[in-house]
Amino acid sequence: AQSVTQLGSHVSVSEGALVLLRCNYSSSVPPYLFWYVQYPNQGLQLLLKYTTGATLVKGINGFEAEFKKSETSFHLTKPSAHMSDAAEYFCAVSERAGNNRKLIWGLGTSLAVNP
Amino acid sequence: NAGVMQNPRHLVRRRGQEARLRCSPMKGHSHVYWYRQLPEEGLKFMVYLQKENIIDESGMPKERFSAEFPKEGPSILRIQQVVRGDSAAYFCASSPGLGDEARGYTFGSGTRLTVV
Repeated sequence: AQSVTQLGSHVSVSEGALVLLRCNYSSSVPPYLFWYVQYPNQGLQLLLKYTTGATLVKGINGFEAEFKKSETSFHLTKPSAHMSDAAEYFCAVSERAGNNRKLIWGLGTSLAVNP
Repeated sequence: NAGVMQNPRHLVRRRGQEARLRCSPMKGHSHVYWYRQLPEEGLKFMVYLQKENIIDESGMPKERFSAEFPKEGPSILRIQQVVRGDSAAYFCASSPGLGDEARGYTFGSGTRLTVV
């Protein structure tokens, strides 16, 4: 069965510092991989996704993530944090085959950005 | 080009009442997923529906919860005889169909259910 682990439920960085949010997955075959962001009391917005091709994926708001098959990881990074990046970030996976492409979620990482 | 519409945004119910949550998928999308977000537990899959069909309801509690996606109209998540533990944010996501999830599911803004 697939599972997703996000290391660190809370991450705090200074404005302008590097953001690194970790995500590891467990799956018999490489799944589709997603990062979503949730601002307080709002819905889920897709940041980026990996399906096939280049393993370094660029998303919105300056975020990017790299799929590393050997490490079963899909860590999210941003070179320079902005105050507006403070939010909850979720890593998710879905199967590439089968009749149900439901998303399996990590527990989320709350990102705080300090001035 | 409206996105996924969920209503109501906030719903307050007393214990024992029924809650009906609605989800209108994006135009052209025929697949709907419901997820529940509980405090400290993250997001959990509940049910996957296509028009007039329940494909996977393995994440639905065995009792009191039901879902439908009729040929016409929105998808409905129905919770009968609500209890305090049902208080959560319920999100709906839609996609065009199998094989299109690579585009990323589109989520609604959610319905926040509070049971008092």
